[in-house]
Amino acid sequence: DQQVKQNSPSLSVQEGRISILNCDYTNSMFDYFLWYKKYPAEGPTFLISISSIKDKNEDGRFTVFLNKSAKHLSLHIVPSQPGDSAVYFCAATSSGGNQFYFGTGTSLTVIP
Amino acid sequence: EAQVTQNPRYLITVTGKKLTVTCSQNMNHEYMSWYRQDPGLGLRQIYYSMNVEVTDKGDVPEGYKVSRKEKRNFPLILESPSPNQTSLYFCASALAGPSSYNEQFFGPGTRLTVL
Repeated sequence: DQQVKQNSPSLSVQEGRISILNCDYTNSMFDYFLWYKKYPAEGPTFLISISSIKDKNEDGRFTVFLNKSAKHLSLHIVPSQPGDSAVYFCAATSSGGNQFYFGTGTSLTVIP
Repeated sequence: EAQVTQNPRYLITVTGKKLTVTCSQNMNHEYMSWYRQDPGLGLRQIYYSMNVEVTDKGDVPEGYKVSRKEKRNFPLILESPSPNQTSLYFCASALAGPSSYNEQFFGPGTRLTVL
């Protein structure tokens, strides 16, 4: 049973435009969310996170938005650059838990 | 350099031949974990360890074993590999468990093929 879902397997965006990657979760106990980026032949690397006490967290070109009532979060990349082309994984955990739960990933292609 | 290392990076083996994938971290992290990545299924947690001698099952533990005798090492053992264990495996570590709101650091991955 997938508790974290990324319903878009792939996304293509023109360079300079905004990329929006979406993630939904089912477990209302999740209170910390993370985004990881993965290049081919490498392990995932941490990108940005947000706790449930916030609804937005920003780090440079990357912003994560959290909508707790909808159990939905999104990652915005502005402006998108070709080097952003990678697979992005959403992950979630809870303060009372010992596991991280990952989504299926979205492959982002930024077209020059 | 702070890192998580895995060996081997690539492995082709046959059904039933026991194998071990090693994982080591040099960051003095308490939490370590193994994941497998499969197309359409994302990253699924196999086993995790909160600290030395403390391990627990993740979501897909069947057919795998782990041990945590030292803080830095967390090997993944396949006693009798089967073709359905063909996958890309990642080891990860974090300063502390998920409840501490830490991010994980991942190794480069091990591509395993079981014939």
